[in-house]
Amino acid sequence: EVQLVESGGGLEQPGRSLRLSCTASGFTFGDYAMSWVRQAPGKGLEWVGFIRSKTYGGTPEYAASVKGRFTISRDDSKSIAYLQMISLKTEDTAVYYCTRNEPQWYYGDYWGQGTLVTVSS
Amino acid sequence: DIQMTQSPSSLSASVGDTVTITCRPSQSISSYLNWYQHKPGKAPKLLIYATSTLQSGVPLRFSGSRSGTDFTLTISSLLPEDSATYYCQQSYSAITFGQGTRLEIK
Repeated sequence: EVQLVESGGGLEQPGRSLRLSCTASGFTFGDYAMSWVRQAPGKGLEWVGFIRSKTYGGTPEYAASVKGRFTISRDDSKSIAYLQMISLKTEDTAVYYCTRNEPQWYYGDYWGQGTLVTVSS
Repeated sequence: DIQMTQSPSSLSASVGDTVTITCRPSQSISSYLNWYQHKPGKAPKLLIYATSTLQSGVPLRFSGSRSGTDFTLTISSLLPEDSATYYCQQSYSAITFGQGTRLEIK
C-alpha cells in the first residue's frame, strides 16, 4: 500500500526556517517525481514545487511565489522528500501536502494527509 | 507560466443531476490536464489524468474531455458524497491548478 506521511510542520516566526519531510512507503520511491502542494486557509490548492526522479535528472522546479526561498530535495535511499523553507512569511501559512507524481505526465496519484505550517509572530 | 481559468467558481445541483466544470489554459498544454476532488480535512484525490483517463477506483460517473482549448469534467448522476471542491491541474509545463469549483449537493 502506497503511503506518504508528512512531518515537520508547526508554528514558526516570520523570517525563520522550517524543513518538512515526506516519508514514503509501498512503492519504489526513486521511480517517481515528488511534489509539494499547499493550501492556505480559505484558499485553493497551490503547487509549490517538485523534484524529478533521477531517471529524469533529479532536478527541481518551483512556483514563482517560493523560488529562491524554498528548496526541494530527495533521499532515495531513505524514501524521503524534503521541503526546506527559509525566510518564512505569514503568507506561507498553509497545510502542506506531498504527492507522488507519475514521472512523465506528472499527475499526483497519491497524496499525504498534510502537515500544517503556521507562520506568525 | 501557464494560467488555468476554471469555471464556475461554485455551483449547486441536486442528487441525480449532471454537472460540468470547465478549465481553459492560457496556452497549449497538449493533453496534460488532470482533475482532483478535495473534501475538507482530507487529502485531494485524483479523479482523471491525461484529459480523459479515469483513475483506478473512480466511479464511471466521472468523465473528462476536451473541446478545442477547453477541458471539461462531467459528473453524472450526482450523489451526496460528490459534494467537494474540484480542481483542474495542468502538468505540461511545471504545474498549475485552477482556482477550484465548489460543488454543493442540494
